[in-house]
Amino acid sequence: EIVMAQSPATLSVSPGERATLSCRASQSISSNLAWFQHKPGQAPRLLIYGASTRATGIPARFSGSGSGTEFTLTISSLQSEDFAVYYCQQYNNWPPLTFGGGTKVEIK
Amino acid sequence: QLQLQESGPGLVKPSETLSLTCTVSGGSVSSSGYYWGWIRQPPGKGLEWIGNIYYGGSGNTYYNPSLKSRVTISVDTSKNQFSLKLSSVTAADTAVYYCASVNKRVYGLVDYWGQGTLVTVSS
Repeated sequence: EIVMAQSPATLSVSPGERATLSCRASQSISSNLAWFQHKPGQAPRLLIYGASTRATGIPARFSGSGSGTEFTLTISSLQSEDFAVYYCQQYNNWPPLTFGGGTKVEIK
Repeated sequence: QLQLQESGPGLVKPSETLSLTCTVSGGSVSSSGYYWGWIRQPPGKGLEWIGNIYYGGSGNTYYNPSLKSRVTISVDTSKNQFSLKLSSVTAADTAVYYCASVNKRVYGLVDYWGQGTLVTVSS
């Protein structure tokens, strides 16, 4: 099973600032990584797949990078609606599909 | 765009079977483009994949080895729904349960989720 680790667990950021979130895989997953945004009471929303491809309708301020075992999600200028929990998911080697533990982005 | 909605009891007794249904709109459960799956999140813990079913051709199911002996996922094409059954539940199965679509073209990508439903296991 591929274990996904996210850091930090919580990120405190002021609106308008940049946020950088990390996701690490326990073994190489090529570029088969997705990022999701999750707000309380809502369905998680796909942001990025293929490590760097934005999903339909996702603003350009969200960008993903990385390959192999190290990945980054960057939010270039945080808007009020971006405060949420973010998860990564690997789909290179399954079953099982596996997820990171999440990073909560909160208002500083 | 696919929309998924979970439904089912919010309270299940220990040792009984948890049963949830996911209603799909904006697409067909018979589609060859998707697997249909379930994911859960216990309170204060991370996301755990439960399993997927592929109805579009083979009807194959894929389950998390940690739950395989207790899980059944099936599809009801007449209602455009798929369902989850988890037997012999304990308090450790208390979680928010999400249904989701898993893309077949981008093999394994979870692309659409339901809002989730909390299931509590308690007597």
